[in-house]
This record gives sequence, C-alpha cells and structure tokens, in this order.
Amino acid sequence: DIQMTQSPSSVSASVGDTVTITCRASQDISSWLAWYQQKAGEAPKLLIHATSSLQNGVPSRFSGSGLGTEFNLSISNLQPEDLATYYCQQANTFPSLFTFGPGTKVDLK
Amino acid sequence: EVQLVESGGGLIQPGGSLRLSCEATDFTVSRNYMMWVRQAPGKGLEWVSVIYVGGSTFYADSVKGRFTISRDNSNNTVYLQMNRLRAEDTAVYYCARGLSSPKGYMDVWGKGTTVSVSS
Repeated sequence: DIQMTQSPSSVSASVGDTVTITCRASQDISSWLAWYQQKAGEAPKLLIHATSSLQNGVPSRFSGSGLGTEFNLSISNLQPEDLATYYCQQANTFPSLFTFGPGTKVDLK
Repeated sequence: EVQLVESGGGLIQPGGSLRLSCEATDFTVSRNYMMWVRQAPGKGLEWVSVIYVGGSTFYADSVKGRFTISRDNSNNTVYLQMNRLRAEDTAVYYCARGLSSPKGYMDVWGKGTTVSVSS
C-alpha cells in the first residue's frame, strides 16, 4: 500500500506570510494528489486536485506543485481564515484505494 | 444547492450494528461515485469505502468484511451498514461525492455523523 507523510506536522505563521507544506508518497503516484482544508469542527473541503488544479472558488493564494513522490501546497499572503489542518490524498490507486496524509495544522504565530 | 446530509450515528456497544445514511440534494447519487471517510477523535482522515456508478464497491482493509456500502436510487441515498463494531470504529463518518473528472477526489462533503462504540 502507498503511505503518505506530511511535514511539518504543524506550523505557526503570521498574517501575510507564505506557508509551504510538503507531502511525500512512499511510491510514485504521478500527479494523482489532492489537498483538502479542514477547519475546526467542519468537514474537509477540496482545495486542489491533480497536484495543481484549483477547485472553483478557492483563492489563488493557494497553489500546488510536485510530481512522483514529493508534492507541495503553498499558501501565500496567509489570511486568518486559512487557519486549518491541511491533508494530502493520493488517488493513484483509483478505483480501489485512497490514502490521506496525517495532516498539517496551520495556526497563527 | 448540492448537499449531503448524513444520519444514523449514535452510541453502540462493541459487536453491535449500525446503518448510516447519506441523503443527497440537487444531484443524483446513482450517476456519481460516492465515498465514506471517517475521522477518529483528534485524528486524521481515513478513507472507508466507495461505490461506483456500475455498483462495484471497495473497502479499506480495516473494515473489509464488516462494513457494506450500498445505495437506494429511489431515495437518492447512500448507506453504510456497519456490523461487528469495535471501539476503534469510533469516529465522525463523512459521506462525500467523487469528483467527476479527474476521478479519485472528493468534491462535496456532508457535515458528518458521529459513531461511538463503547460499553
């Protein structure tokens, strides 16, 4: 099975900063990666799919990059409403298995 | 408005059974693939199961043989039948719609229903 890891597990940043979260897969998943945002007490929300495609309505300060086994989510000009936990998810094993990373919590310094 | 509403959660003893429901609004579940994802208290997300348009189903190893996903087209509802429940099944269970293209991602989520397995 494909294992997903994320780093850091948490990050503190100030409003206006750029935050970068890294997701690594235990084997090559090509571009089959998504990022989700989950605010406290809420359901997850799809931000980015296929590594770098922004979902409709997601602010352009969110961007994704990567290929193969290493992927990044960048949040530029961090806003208070971006405080959340971010999860990556691989879909390379579609249709039979989907795996999430352990999450990265972003909070305000 | 496209929406998913889960129900059926509650407190259940180990070894018991529970059926979760997920009712869809403003789209047809039989024309989409649908998933269940769970989140144990204070933990991350865990994919549980998927049902495809053609009816094929897949499960995480942790629930295989105990959980069954199904759908009722007339009620536009997806179900998760959970048998032989264990303490480690305690979680918020989310229903999600699969993204139509590219496939493999979840673009609409319900608010979740809480399952607590305890004696």
